[in-house]
Parts: sequence; C-alpha cells; structure tokens
Amino acid sequence: AQSVTQLDSQVPVFEEAPVELRCNYSSSVSVYLFWYVQYPNQGLQLLLKYLSGSTLVKGINGFEAEFNKSQTSFHLRKPSVHISDTAEYFCAVSWGGSSNTGKLIFGQGTTLQVKP
Amino acid sequence: DAGVTQSPTHLIKTRGQQVTLRCSPKSGHDTVSWYQQALGQGPQFIFQYYEEEERQRGNFPDRFSGHQFPNYSSELNVNALLLGDSALYLCASSFRGGRGNTIYFGEGSWLTVV
Repeated sequence: AQSVTQLDSQVPVFEEAPVELRCNYSSSVSVYLFWYVQYPNQGLQLLLKYLSGSTLVKGINGFEAEFNKSQTSFHLRKPSVHISDTAEYFCAVSWGGSSNTGKLIFGQGTTLQVKP
Repeated sequence: DAGVTQSPTHLIKTRGQQVTLRCSPKSGHDTVSWYQQALGQGPQFIFQYYEEEERQRGNFPDRFSGHQFPNYSSELNVNALLLGDSALYLCASSFRGGRGNTIYFGEGSWLTVV
C-alpha cells in the first residue's frame, strides 16, 4: 500500500536556526508531492508542491523542499525559522496520472516548535 | 473570493446519531474531497465527488456517505456515530481540468461524539 512517513513527530529548534523536516514515501512512480502547514484550530495551507521539473521547489514563507527520486524523499527546509513558524507540518503525496484529483495520502505530521 | 467554506464549525453528537456536514468549494472548483483528521494524526481520505458522483473512496465504512449538488457544493453524512468518529472533518476542493492546480482546504468541522 502507498504510504508517507514523516520521520520526526516533533522538531524543537531555536529562533533563527535552520530546520529540516523529513518525509519519505513508498513509491516513486508518477508522484506529486506537497507540504502543508496547519496552525492551531485551522485548516491546511499549501506551502509548496512538486509536480515535475526542477527537484528544488520554493514555497511560501521562505520554505523550500527537494525531491529525491532515488531516495523517495521530499524533505522540507528553511534556513532561518521564526516564532510564527510554530505549527504542524504535513507531507502529502498524490499518486497516478493527475495531480488534481484531490486524493492525497498524508504523513502523520511533524510539530515544529520554535523557541525564542 | 471566498475559499472553501464548511459548516458547522463545531458540533457534539451522541453515539448512534447521524450527522451531516456541509462544504462549499472555492469558486471555479468542481471537485470536492473529504478527509477525516483524528487528534494527533494526519488527514485520511474519505471520498471524492466530481460531477455529482463518488469517484474515489478511501478505507471508510458505508456509514460514511456523501453527495454533491449541481452547484458543486457537497455534504458528508455519517450514520450510527461511534466514539471513534470524533475528529476534524476537512473538505478540500480543486479543479479537475489542467494540471498542477492547487487543492484548497477548508477550516474543517470539529465533530465530538459522546
């Protein structure tokens, strides 16, 4: 079965430090990759997505992610975090021919805790 | 331009009851998907509606059903509620045509079953 694994349930980091949130998925065949952020008591907001082309994807709020087909990974990075980045981050994958079908498989989530 | 809107935002139901959750997709979107997010978990795909038909379904029992209306809005119905149905229910909308279109999520409906 297709699956998405976020390797860290919690990542504590000090403000202005770099951070990497790790994501691996089960198959590299025709995948579309996404990172979403969820602030407390809110829905999901898209940070960035990979459909094809350059393996380095830039998103909103200074985040970027790199698609690594051989390692089936899509790790999220930010060079300098702010207190306001404290939130839950979800990696999601869509398999198959369409990136618009709305069927996403999500990881369990990583809680990013930015400390002053 | 309103995004994806869901109602109600919070509700409490008793075991065995039935619940209906509603979703209006973002303007221009024709596909609606529903997800269940239990506390501390990632969202899980329930099903998807396009052209008023269920197109894909996740691993959820028949107690979970839905509907899509001609204006693309959608309802999620859950019958015979169980305590384990307590979760945040998220609606997502997208446009099926083209490629690479963003999937937008609503704020969700918090369901508590007591």
